[in-house]
Amino acid sequence: RKEVEQDPGPFNVPEGATVAFNCTYSNSASQSFFWYRQDCRKEPKLLMSVYSSGNEDGRFTAQLNRASQYISLLIRDSKLSDSATYLCVVNMRNDYKLSFGAGTTVTVRA
Amino acid sequence: NAGVTQTPKFQVLKTGQSMTLQCAQDMNHEYMSWYRQDPGMGLRLIHYSVGAGITDQGEVPNGYNVSRSTTEDFPLRLLSAAPSQTSVYFCASLEPLGTGELFFGEGSRLTVL
Repeated sequence: RKEVEQDPGPFNVPEGATVAFNCTYSNSASQSFFWYRQDCRKEPKLLMSVYSSGNEDGRFTAQLNRASQYISLLIRDSKLSDSATYLCVVNMRNDYKLSFGAGTTVTVRA
Repeated sequence: NAGVTQTPKFQVLKTGQSMTLQCAQDMNHEYMSWYRQDPGMGLRLIHYSVGAGITDQGEVPNGYNVSRSTTEDFPLRLLSAAPSQTSVYFCASLEPLGTGELFFGEGSRLTVL
């Protein structure tokens, strides 16, 4: 079993729609969680950290469910510019060795 | 502020050749790392360093060497390139006492024929 698993998608959604997807992780002792965004042929960039109580950043909402060992990302009012691959990143051992999911691809169409 | 700089951006090698991917950061981060990214797979950690003079293996270290003589530089050496090393390589740095955010270079696309 992979340490971090994501639905690869793609999620094809119209502008203005809401899209949500999850990421599961294998280690229940994982300490910190992040969503990164990666545009085609570019480097990953931090989108947001995921806090235990859930957190929002504009149109983006991240949730953590420790009992079921998954995190989620919800994008409201999707924009064309939200088209990207979203990487789930988990710090499983409270060290610097972050574990990456393979990514979920979102395509927003006009 | 340049952040993390990787060179070269593209490279084609023949099987058996050696080369070095350069990585430099100007943020005074202690932690630096190298990842490779292959289709359908998450980024996999090759080697990492928690400070000058200290390096350690990640998930997929075979065929690669690293050194960390300064805080700023963390080169990755391919000793004898193989087609299985065709990939996109990312260097990243992190300030452990900060947000935990990894700062990535723009990536180096390597093809081994």
